[in-house]
Amino acid sequence: AQTVTQSQPEMSVQEAETVTLSCTYDTSENNYYLFWYKQPPSRQMILVIRQEAYKQQNATENRFSVNFQKAAKSFSLKISDSQLGDTAMYFCAFMKHESSSNTGKLIFGQGTTLQVKP
Amino acid sequence: GAGVSQSPSNKVTEKGKDVELRCDPISGHTALYWYRQSLGQGLEFLIYFQGNSAPDKSGLPSDRFSAERTGGSVSTLTIQRTQQEDSAVYLCASSPPPLARSTDTQYFGPGTRLTVL
Repeated sequence: AQTVTQSQPEMSVQEAETVTLSCTYDTSENNYYLFWYKQPPSRQMILVIRQEAYKQQNATENRFSVNFQKAAKSFSLKISDSQLGDTAMYFCAFMKHESSSNTGKLIFGQGTTLQVKP
Repeated sequence: GAGVSQSPSNKVTEKGKDVELRCDPISGHTALYWYRQSLGQGLEFLIYFQGNSAPDKSGLPSDRFSAERTGGSVSTLTIQRTQQEDSAVYLCASSPPPLARSTDTQYFGPGTRLTVL
């Protein structure tokens, strides 16, 4: 069975600074996807960034980038130029690649609460 | 376009009563998922529908939980004889058809907060 671990329950960062959230996972699968989702107090889960395991290049989306280390089973999220609106809970998630449908259930980490301070 | 919608937003019920939670996926999405988010258990997968295939019910915690998806669109999650430990936020998500762009990405609704007294 796959597991996802986020070892930082809470983090804080000053506005405009850079912060890195950690995530490790355990799987025997070779083909899978990894995601970071953001959940602000409104409760709406919002996709931040996704990574396909077969791609060596790290995904980037504007101020968000990942450091994907497949051998180490590590998938950290870097937020540059932090903004007040980045305050939220962040979840790392794993999804096994299903050849028949390209989708499947997400397995989530416990979440990291990020507070961006003015 | 419209995102995933869920109703009701909040539901308070008494222990032992049945509840129904509704999810409207994004139009054209063939896959639909239910997850439960609680303080003690974090985010857990409950059930997954993909097109006309048999659903993956492997995450349902007990036989008091069931879900159906009518016409390949709207889904209802039913909890019978609710217990206090069922109190949680129930999240629904949908994803595009196989071979579509971003088919691996799940788009979430705002959730239903269920409180069992």
